[in-house]
Amino acid sequence: AQSVSQHNHHVILSEAASLELGCNYSYGGTVNLFWYVQYPGQHLQLLLKYFSGDPLVKGIKGFEAEFIKSKFSFNLRKPSVQWSDTAEYFCAVNAVNNAGKSTFGDGTTLTVKP
Amino acid sequence: DAGITQSPRHKVTETGTPVTLRCHQTENHRYMYWYRQDPGHGLRLIHYSYGVKDTDKGEVSDGYSVSRSKTEDFLLTLESATSSQTSVYFCAISERGKDGYTFGSGTRLTVV
Repeated sequence: AQSVSQHNHHVILSEAASLELGCNYSYGGTVNLFWYVQYPGQHLQLLLKYFSGDPLVKGIKGFEAEFIKSKFSFNLRKPSVQWSDTAEYFCAVNAVNNAGKSTFGDGTTLTVKP
Repeated sequence: DAGITQSPRHKVTETGTPVTLRCHQTENHRYMYWYRQDPGHGLRLIHYSYGVKDTDKGEVSDGYSVSRSKTEDFLLTLESATSSQTSVYFCAISERGKDGYTFGSGTRLTVV
């Protein structure tokens, strides 16, 4: 079975600060990796995904993530956060050829102070 | 995203009553999923479908059943609602596993 661990439950930053949210997964096989964002009162939206190729992937709104296979990690980064980035962020993983069933981390709440 | 809708958006029901939540997609995606979201637990998979009439259990399937008689509709039924099933329920669709999900807007269910 796969599992996902997000190390930070709540992160508070000031505008223009840099962001890095940690995500580690546990699974012995080949995986697809995702980050989703959930703005207050809304549903989850896909930020970015990795399934093969360049381990540094870029997503929407200036976010990027790096897959480090040796560390089973897929950390999310943004060089300069904005107040509008205040949201909850979820890391997710699914095993290749497993009907796309994804396991989600518990989420990290990001609060950006103006 | 207009391609997936959930109904109802909110529901309050009494303990012991059956409840059905509906997920409707217009994307013709093969895969459909039901998750529940609870504080501190992220999202947990209840059931999923990989085609018409093809469904399987997720990690928290006890007390829930599903049906998919058409590509576009995926129904989640709480056979006899309990207070522990108070949650926000999200439906998601995917064309292929590596694509990630498109989520519906969710159903907030309260069991009293």
